[in-house]
Amino acid sequence: QKEVEQNSGPLSVPEGAIASLNCTYSDRGSQSFFWYRQYSGKSPELIMSIYSNGDKEDGRFTAQLNKASQYVSLLIRDSQPSDSATYLCAVSNTDKLIFGTGTRLQVFP
Amino acid sequence: DVKVTQSSRYLVKRTGEKVFLECVQDMDHENMFWYRQDPGLGLRLIYFSYDVKMKEKGDIPEGYSVSREKKERFSLILESASTNQTSMYLCASQYQGAYEQYFGPGTRLTVT
Repeated sequence: QKEVEQNSGPLSVPEGAIASLNCTYSDRGSQSFFWYRQYSGKSPELIMSIYSNGDKEDGRFTAQLNKASQYVSLLIRDSQPSDSATYLCAVSNTDKLIFGTGTRLQVFP
Repeated sequence: DVKVTQSSRYLVKRTGEKVFLECVQDMDHENMFWYRQDPGLGLRLIYFSYDVKMKEKGDIPEGYSVSREKKERFSLILESASTNQTSMYLCASQYQGAYEQYFGPGTRLTVT
């Protein structure tokens, strides 16, 4: 079983819709959770971090964490074509991060 | 803003060459990391360092070594490049005690 699992996609949503990206992890001791956005040919960019159960909102992005279910998600409201990228989930209980392989999001006009 | 820079965006080397990839960060971060990223395999940790002259093996250290002579600089060395080391190499830095990592722009290395 992979330590951090994501559906590879592509997830296709129309412009203006809500995109929902999901991630599960295996280590119950994990304490920190991150979402990175990676455009094709570029490096990962940190967009959200979450440390406690519940929701955390930042602009059009909402991260959701459920430690009991070992599940973290990212919602993107009012999706734009510029949101088309691969989204990496990362999980940590130490200084090291464990990354999922990413979900490719396509937002079509 | 955190700034992490890498010496080259694209690099082409021949099999058997010694290759140096350099990473510099300007935020006085203690921790630095080297990853490679391959399609379908995601990000894999090669080496990391918590301080000057300190290094720790990651998940795939074979064929690589590192050097950290100054706090802001972390170098990845391919002693004898092989075609299976063709990949995107990503450097990241992290403030000790935090968990967020910040990435450089990456170096796409092709070994022919």
